[in-house]
Amino acid sequence: DAGVIQSPRHEVTEMGQEVTLRCKPISGHNSLFWYRQTMMRGLELLIYFNNNVPIDDSGMPEDRFSAKMPNASFSTLKIQPSEPRDSAVYFCASSPGLGEKLFFGSGTQLSVL
Amino acid sequence: EDQVTQSPEALRLQEGESSSLNCSYTVSGLRGLFWYRQDPGKGPEFLFTLYSAGEEKEKERLKATLTKKESFLHITAPKPEDSATYLCAAQGGGSNYKLTFGKGTLLTVNP
Repeated sequence: DAGVIQSPRHEVTEMGQEVTLRCKPISGHNSLFWYRQTMMRGLELLIYFNNNVPIDDSGMPEDRFSAKMPNASFSTLKIQPSEPRDSAVYFCASSPGLGEKLFFGSGTQLSVL
Repeated sequence: EDQVTQSPEALRLQEGESSSLNCSYTVSGLRGLFWYRQDPGKGPEFLFTLYSAGEEKEKERLKATLTKKESFLHITAPKPEDSATYLCAAQGGGSNYKLTFGKGTLLTVNP
């Protein structure tokens, strides 16, 4: 099993540009989570899906952030337009079902200049 | 609002020197208390889940315990390879399966 796969591993962009982060969950997992990690705030939940349906997006900072899960094997997190304060490590995680342990990807290090 | 607080922020031990990490939580109807380990440049890796006060789980040199307000991660005779950030997370009850993480304890074990 390859685990949760995230791409890209690193992303450097300029303020105002669109950024798309990608995630492939573990096959057979029904739940998918997007987290953001910074030194100041730690790991923060942005949004989670169950069976491809968004369940709770209350952690999405503002309308510049959007997430989709068009099928069980792919999800995207998009930031448009990006701002320097969006710089962080973004993690995707999947689980067999809600309430079960999460399996994290290696994260995407985003730097917005 | 669910809250998870970990202490200390950082802990430096000598190899073989046992200690404990603390996780205090405030959630509505705890469904589960999770411990993860995170190495630099990697995602968190699952260690334990605890579901009810009094429950204990062990894995090698680590033992996690749970009370109604806190969880402890006890590290017995640590080795340098135990150096990592240890994260605690609480999941409340009801229909919300949100997992709230603490900021972690950075553990360094010196040889």
